[in-house]
Amino acid sequence: NAGVTQTPKFRVLKTGQSMTLLCAQDMNHEYMYWYRQDPGMGLRLIHYSVGEGTTAKGEVPDGYNVSRLKKQNFLLGLESAAPSQTSVYFCASSSPYRQGNTEAFFGQGTRLTVV
Amino acid sequence: DAKTTQPPSMDCAEGRAANLPCNHSTISGNEYVYWYRQIHSQGPQYIIHGLKNNETNEMASLIITEDRKSSTLILPHATLRDTAVYYCIASNSGGSNYKLTFGKGTLLTVNP
Repeated sequence: NAGVTQTPKFRVLKTGQSMTLLCAQDMNHEYMYWYRQDPGMGLRLIHYSVGEGTTAKGEVPDGYNVSRLKKQNFLLGLESAAPSQTSVYFCASSSPYRQGNTEAFFGQGTRLTVV
Repeated sequence: DAKTTQPPSMDCAEGRAANLPCNHSTISGNEYVYWYRQIHSQGPQYIIHGLKNNETNEMASLIITEDRKSSTLILPHATLRDTAVYYCIASNSGGSNYKLTFGKGTLLTVNP
């Protein structure tokens, strides 16, 4: 059982380049999330999805787009990377509330550097 | 989501109980209290959650005050591997706006 898998684990981009981060989960979870974490900071929610074909903005959505075409995948896109987007990106997934069981499972992170 | 307040850092001796406090004075009736931790550079890990009653699992205990305005996470016998940032989150139980909002958490350092 792989859980939540993020691809790639590391990436260096030049300013203005685009890229897509892939998150895949094999737990049949309805909800998926993308967070970013800057040094010394907590996690900040970028976008999230409560089901296939639906997405919503989180706390810091500017400069990012997402898609949830398949239930098991949640893609995070950077159309024109900026140095301010240098960060560690975490993906997570969880099930809808059922008797309080809403544990979120996180991937191991993608370390992105924009130069 | 209700705002939570945690001390930025705490120390604990190995083998002793670690008691991590969290204030959530504006928590609403349908919001649960969740605890996660993040060991250096790894993705956060779920620990425990609760609504009104105290909860215990193999990792920790969660004590919620009767007025639900604060809670305490207890690691009964802290080990060096428990050194991590601990996040307290208040969030509703589900629905289309369900999400987890992380603050800066408490850095717990377990000392030998």
